[in-house]
Amino acid sequence: RKEVEQDPGPFNVPEGATVAFNCTYSNSASQSFFWYRQDCRKEPKLLMSVYSSGNEDGRFTAQLNRASQYISLLIRDSKLSDSATYLCVVNWGTGGFKTIFGAGTRLFVKA
Amino acid sequence: DTGVSQDPRHKITKRGQNVTFRCDPISEHNRLYWYRQTLGQGPEFLTYFQNEAQLEKSRLLSDRFSAERPKGSFSTLEIQRTEQGDSAMYLCASSPAGGVTEAFFGQGTRLTVV
Repeated sequence: RKEVEQDPGPFNVPEGATVAFNCTYSNSASQSFFWYRQDCRKEPKLLMSVYSSGNEDGRFTAQLNRASQYISLLIRDSKLSDSATYLCVVNWGTGGFKTIFGAGTRLFVKA
Repeated sequence: DTGVSQDPRHKITKRGQNVTFRCDPISEHNRLYWYRQTLGQGPEFLTYFQNEAQLEKSRLLSDRFSAERPKGSFSTLEIQRTEQGDSAMYLCASSPAGGVTEAFFGQGTRLTVV
């Protein structure tokens, strides 16, 4: 089983739709969680952290379920500019070995 | 430009040749990471420096790979005797403290081995 698993998609949604992605992780010692966004042929950029109580940033909502070991990202009122790959990242300490990136979920938002 | 800079952006090389990539981190960042990303996959950790010390090195970094950060500023990643399987995007990231999740990524060097 991969340490961090995501549905690769692609998710094809119309503008204005609500779309949700899930990410599961295997290491119960994981401490912090993040969603990154990566545009085609570009570098990953931090989208938002995921807090235990859940958090919202505009149209984006992230949630964590420690018992079931998954995190989710909800995008409301999708825009064309939301088209990208969304990477789930799980971390359990400092250093490179303790941070694992998922393979990403591709989202296409169409007019 | 105060971001992470990588050079070159693209490199095409013949199998068996050596290649070297450079990363210039954000100037006040003492932590530097190298990642490799292939199509359809997330970034895979290669190695990590704190200042000039190489503190971690993945098994993905075979004997043909070497990374340096001689003065704790810029870093180089060299691949000797390149193979077609080395074709990937090589990403560098830097951070002032904390883990790689607080880091900023460079735009990457895309390597194609023919």
